[in-house]
Amino acid sequence: QKEVEQNSGPLSVPEGAIASLNCTYSDRGSQSFFWYRQYSGKSPELIMSIYSNGDKEDGRFTAQLNKASQYVSLLIRDSQPSDSATYLCAVIAGRRALTFGSGTRLQVQP
Amino acid sequence: GAVVSQHPSRVICKSGTSVKIECRSLDFQATTMFWYRQFPKQSLMLMATSNEGSKATYEQGVEKDKFLINHASLTLSTLTVTSAHPEDSSFYICSAQDRNTGELFFGEGSRLTVL
Repeated sequence: QKEVEQNSGPLSVPEGAIASLNCTYSDRGSQSFFWYRQYSGKSPELIMSIYSNGDKEDGRFTAQLNKASQYVSLLIRDSQPSDSATYLCAVIAGRRALTFGSGTRLQVQP
Repeated sequence: GAVVSQHPSRVICKSGTSVKIECRSLDFQATTMFWYRQFPKQSLMLMATSNEGSKATYEQGVEKDKFLINHASLTLSTLTVTSAHPEDSSFYICSAQDRNTGELFFGEGSRLTVL
């Protein structure tokens, strides 16, 4: 079982719709959770971080964490074509480094 | 925001040569830097954790004699791919952890192509 699992996609949504990206993790000791956006050929950039159960909102982005279900998600409201990218879920457990999922490719259709 | 500079951004080399990639934190000190490798359409895989003034910790399956890591100062870590082969062609990305805030920042990445 992979430590961090994501559906590879592509996830295709029309412009203006809500995009929902999901991630599950295997290590119950995971403490910190991150969503990164990566454009092709570029380095990842941090979108959201979340550390406690519940929702965290930042602009058009909402991260949701459910530690009991070992599940973290990212909602993107009013999706724009510029949001088209690969979204990487990452977790930290203990003093370990970030462990990344394989990423979900999002395509926002104009 | 904090910036991590990686150099070179692209490098093409012949098989058998060695390539050095630098990762530099420009406006903060980083006691810990991480080196990742990303193959096309795959996720970032941690290669090693680099701690200033001590030996790097390598992940399982990563050859420490092939991927030499030096973290001689609080702002610079280097990754040397020794005797590179075509299968080492990949996107290498470093991240640096701010010693004061604990925040992680990524470099721009270095694309290595071994002919």
